This record gives sequence, structure tokens and C-alpha cells, in this order.
Amino acid sequence: EIVLTQSPGTLSLSPGERATLSCRASQSVISSYLAWYQQKPGQAPRLLIYGAYSRATGIPDRFGGSGSGTDFTLTISRLEPEDFAVYYCQQYGSSPLTFGGGTKVEIK
Amino acid sequence: EVQLVESGGGLVKPGGSLRLSCAASGFTFSSYAMNWVRQAPGKGLEWVAYISSTGSTIRYADSVKGRLAISRDNAKNSLFLQMNSLRAEDTAVYYCARDLPSSNWPYYFDYWGQGTLVTVSS
Repeated sequence: EIVLTQSPGTLSLSPGERATLSCRASQSVISSYLAWYQQKPGQAPRLLIYGAYSRATGIPDRFGGSGSGTDFTLTISRLEPEDFAVYYCQQYGSSPLTFGGGTKVEIK
Repeated sequence: EVQLVESGGGLVKPGGSLRLSCAASGFTFSSYAMNWVRQAPGKGLEWVAYISSTGSTIRYADSVKGRLAISRDNAKNSLFLQMNSLRAEDTAVYYCARDLPSSNWPYYFDYWGQGTLVTVSS
């Protein structure tokens, strides 16, 4: 099973700042089959990125994904108030499908 | 508008059973694979089960194999999760989530329901 380790656990930033979230896999993720989700309290997760860098429908271009192999990054270029949430990475290249433990982006 | 609405959650004793449902609308349900994903209180996400668009391919996480069963009724645009031999560690919010059309493997999930809470406790 591929273990995904997200860091940092919590990121404290101010609106307008840049956020850089890391997702490291215990083995190479086949074909960069990696997705990112955003989850706000009491809500279901929302797909942001798939295929490591492709934005899902309706996702603003301030969200960007990059990386390959075992190291992936989600970048939010300028934080908006609605971006403060928990972010999860997920790999779907190997069985079983697995999620990272999440990074919380909080207001500083 | 795509909508997924789960129901059937509740309080059940250890060893008990429960059947979750997910009503789909706003898209051609029979064309899409579907999944159940759960989230224990205050914890992260865990994929539970996958079913292909026709129901011919089913996959489970090892933690639920033999106890939980995913199924679907394309005529009724509905997804199900039959939960047997429930344990305290099955306590979670259970989400149904839409996968890619016509996949035979769980990929990523572009639409999620609001979730239904299952609590296993004596």
C-alpha cells in the first residue's frame, strides 16, 4: 500500500500569502495519478486537482498542482478567505487507493 | 446539477447491521463508477469500496472486506452499502462519491454527497 505523508500538518498564513503544501509518497505514484481535495468543516471534500496538475471544473487558477514520482505539491498562489480549510492528497495509481493525512491551512 | 444524497446512517450496536443508500440525480448514473469513502470523527479520509458502472467490477479496502458490500440499482439511480458485523472502528461519516465514467478501477472523485453518520456503540 502506498502511504502518503502530507506536510506540514498545519500551515498558518494570512490572506494574500502563498501556500505550499507537500505530499510525499512511500513509492512512486504511477502515471502521476495524484489528486488534491479541499474540505471545510461540516462539508464534503471538493476535488481541486487530478493527474497531479489538472484543475477540476470550476477551480480557480490560483490553485496549482505539480510534481511526479514520489513528491507532489499543491500551491495556492494568493490565499483568499474561503481557502482556509483542510487539504488532502490521494493516489489512484496503485491498489488500494489511499489518502494522505491532510494539511490544515489556518488564518494566522 | 449533479446531486448525491446519502441516507440510512444511525446508531447501531457492535455486531449489528445497517444499509446505506445514495440517491443520484443530475447525471447519467448508469455511466459512472461509484465509491464509498468514510471519515472517522476528527480524522482523515478512507476509501471503502468501488463499483463499476455496470456493477460487474467491485473492489474493497481490506479493512471492510467480507463485512461490507457495495451494490447499485441503475434503474433507480441508487447506490448502496450493506454493512454487517459492524465494529466500533466503523464509526464514521460515509460519503458516496462519483468516479470516472466507465472505469474499472477507482480513480478520483469529482462529486460527493453530504455524508451520513454511522455510529457503532453499545
